[in-house]
Amino acid sequence: DSGVTQTPKHLITATGQRVTLRCSPRSGDLSVYWYQQSLDQGLQFLIQYYNGEERAKGNILERFSAQQFPDLHSELNLSSLELGDSALYFCASSPWRDSYEQYFGPGTRLTVT
Amino acid sequence: ELKVEQNPLFLSMQEGKNYTIYCNYSTTSDRLYWYRQDPGKSLESLFVLLSNGAVKQEGRLMASLDTKARLSTLHITAAVHDLSATYFCAGDSGGGADGLTFGKGTHLIIQP
Repeated sequence: DSGVTQTPKHLITATGQRVTLRCSPRSGDLSVYWYQQSLDQGLQFLIQYYNGEERAKGNILERFSAQQFPDLHSELNLSSLELGDSALYFCASSPWRDSYEQYFGPGTRLTVT
Repeated sequence: ELKVEQNPLFLSMQEGKNYTIYCNYSTTSDRLYWYRQDPGKSLESLFVLLSNGAVKQEGRLMASLDTKARLSTLHITAAVHDLSATYFCAGDSGGGADGLTFGKGTHLIIQP
């Protein structure tokens, strides 16, 4: 158990809908990363937040957005969902901005029908 | 832009044998990571290699890094069934920013 929690574990929704995935980092970790794992694209970095501010963007679609709250939990919002958005979404956390260790949560499996 | 390539992508081997997974990367990577993933599960950190010539070992797994060749290897010694999993290498070119760039993964099956 990495200490990173993600909810929900599974999510099934229809095309065109909007969902929110939640991540609580390890206690004391300031940095949160979001990753998407799909059969087509593999594991891709989406976005990073550090202490409430966006720090880096990867291959994140414009339909997706994220934020990190004062209590350091983070949410990933996915809108106008398409079938191709079906994937496993991981959150990872690390202690500080340039820490090299990333601790991955259990993931949220999103199925878009 | 950092690109990471692993090979092989699929490996079936017998218990007791040795094998190596290779990870090549395209540009300078500050660090090189190895992760293990069991089906439907999260990523488990195995090794973080920080500098040229770094070698780390844990049980039957040993990872090494050659930054001049832009190559990391994960060597499996006397494989056992419990090591069956998908292994990913990843690079980090942003000093902690920009997230990790992953290879496609090596799906390893170890048969009795």
